[in-house]
Amino acid sequence: NAGVTQTPKFRVLKTGQSMTLLCAQDMNHEYMYWYRQDPGMGLRLIHYSVGEGTTAKGEVPDGYNVSRLKKQNFLLGLESAAPSQTSVYFCASTPETGYYGYTFGSGTRLTVV
Amino acid sequence: RKEVEQDPGPFNVPEGATVAFNCTYSNSASQSFFWYRQDCRKEPKLLMSVYSSGNEDGRFTAQLNRASQYISLLIRDSKLSDSATYLCVVRGDDYKLSFGAGTTVTVRA
Repeated sequence: NAGVTQTPKFRVLKTGQSMTLLCAQDMNHEYMYWYRQDPGMGLRLIHYSVGEGTTAKGEVPDGYNVSRLKKQNFLLGLESAAPSQTSVYFCASTPETGYYGYTFGSGTRLTVV
Repeated sequence: RKEVEQDPGPFNVPEGATVAFNCTYSNSASQSFFWYRQDCRKEPKLLMSVYSSGNEDGRFTAQLNRASQYISLLIRDSKLSDSATYLCVVRGDDYKLSFGAGTTVTVRA
């Protein structure tokens, strides 16, 4: 009964380092999303996937890459971290219809120094 | 213009009071509407969906006005546990959600 699990929960990176955030869901949801949340900005969509093997750009995709090799996992990569990527990252998933809203993971707090 | 705009508040109300706030959305083709609740440093959680005819869930009432493109949330008999940020969320016809920046509500004893 895990729902959506994000790892890691916290991370501090130095500028230029790379890392991968993992999102795993056990609800057999088709659609998965990565959002970032900054103070006063609301959640902004980075990338999303409508099924295994598919990815698409959201509102703020620059500096990020994603992969969905397995239906249950959605990975978000930062190739060369920048201080502007300091944020809280949330993963979410929904069944294909999406009429009942999304289920969110508990978030990853990333600081880039 | 942001797709979803909300009054950030904060709304500071005593226990037992009624508090209401709105949000507006820009995409007239939006399909579904939700209110999410977010507690400090936690993930957003679905509070309720918003239906065209309006709907209630206990002390919470949501209204949708498609003609004017706004959504409202009313909380009756406020509890201390209602203190949170309330996110107005709109889904387009592409299954992507757009979030407002949130309305902060603080209920005081």
